Amino acid sequence: GENVEQHPSTLSVQEGDSAVIKCTYSDSASNYFPWYKQELGKRPQLIIDIRSNVGEKKDQRIAVTLNKTAKHFSLHITETQPEDSAVYFCAASPFTGNQFYFGTGTSLTVIP
Amino acid sequence: EPEVTQTPSHQVTQMGQEVILRCVPISNHLYFYWYRQILGQKVEFLVSFYNNEISEKSEIFDDQFSVERPDGSNFTLKIRSTKLEDSAMYFCANPTAGGRTDTQYFGPGTRLTVL
Repeated sequence: GENVEQHPSTLSVQEGDSAVIKCTYSDSASNYFPWYKQELGKRPQLIIDIRSNVGEKKDQRIAVTLNKTAKHFSLHITETQPEDSAVYFCAASPFTGNQFYFGTGTSLTVIP
Repeated sequence: EPEVTQTPSHQVTQMGQEVILRCVPISNHLYFYWYRQILGQKVEFLVSFYNNEISEKSEIFDDQFSVERPDGSNFTLKIRSTKLEDSAMYFCANPTAGGRTDTQYFGPGTRLTVL
């Protein structure tokens, strides 16, 4: 099955700096890659996603890049704010309706 | 936009007891999923439902687990004889009502504590 690895496990940045979280996957059949933000005690919330036919997607301060050849994808948050502090999970899925394989999470702390 | 809802928000039970977790998914969608998250760990897939049948299940989803759709709208996850290691957050999820089937939106979760 699919194996998703995520780095780093913790990340601290100063407010206004950029944060980058990286994930790798093993199954070349994976074609959908969502990112979730989870605040303490709350549900994972989808913040951005990308499909394998696209190399990059941006939504305001958040962007995701995908390198299919290398089987890795990254989340980029620019101009970080304290409210960006949370645990971020990447995931990969091979088919519509299939399960999501989650990474181990990155705890992001934005220092005011 | 409609959301997935779950009850109860917190369930405390004694080891060996049966628990039933409930979820009301976004309506009119054929796909449905259960995940669990042990405290401080990643989200793990349990089981998926498609068109009222289990379509996929993980190694975690052993014989003590079952999933049903008792009344056509609600979904339940039953754990027959709970163990200490079943303590976790349990999330149900399904795609948005907007027609996309590749993404998954999570319910608020049920925190299960097994004593």
